[in-house]
Amino acid sequence: EVQLLESGGGLVQPGGSLTLSCAASGFTFSTYAMGWVRQAPGEGLQWVSSISGSGDSTYYADSVKGRFTISRDNSKNTLYLQMNSLRAEDTAVYYCAKDQYFNPPYAADVWGQGTTVTVSS
Amino acid sequence: DIQMTQSPSALSASVGDRVTITCRASQTISRNLNWYQQKPGKAPKLLIYAASNLQTGVPSRFSGSESGTDFTLTISSLQPEDFATYYCQQSYSTLWTFGQGTKVEI
Repeated sequence: EVQLLESGGGLVQPGGSLTLSCAASGFTFSTYAMGWVRQAPGEGLQWVSSISGSGDSTYYADSVKGRFTISRDNSKNTLYLQMNSLRAEDTAVYYCAKDQYFNPPYAADVWGQGTTVTVSS
Repeated sequence: DIQMTQSPSALSASVGDRVTITCRASQTISRNLNWYQQKPGKAPKLLIYAASNLQTGVPSRFSGSESGTDFTLTISSLQPEDFATYYCQQSYSTLWTFGQGTKVEI
């Protein structure tokens, strides 16, 4: 069974940092692009970042570019999102998602259950 | 960035109704348009990819179509489990954008 399990969410102060992880199982991790999508409380979906299957290509929403870094360890079947300089508007549920293809990212066909990030003093 | 405008933002319907949701792209996106369903407290689920391709396991009452920069998700006969919020998403650009969502309620 294909599964994605996020971890690392929590409460952090404005300006702080947090790293999210997404452990994948049930598929050949290195052959698919992966990404992060977030949802602020009561709001819609917002794409955050994507990475190719090899990790060579990365893509970021303007709102997080320069603050967030997406990466993957194909030997550990794990996706990461390093988040720095966090702001109140980064508060959201963060979903890890598997893409249908290697690159470029196209459609998220498997999603994790989400991990909550709260940025507040 | 490519903007995706969904309409309506919400609609009321009954079991058995035919429901149509529209998504308009701010520029050409070819057929690079996907539809997702999200229920409260749950992760989104891919329904339709590449404008009209049904994802494996999704009931055939869901369908998608395209006309230029306008895309449509149709539910032919609404079922109780279909009450949810639906989002379109473009992947023509590697910088994805989602529509604002359409809440389908009773």
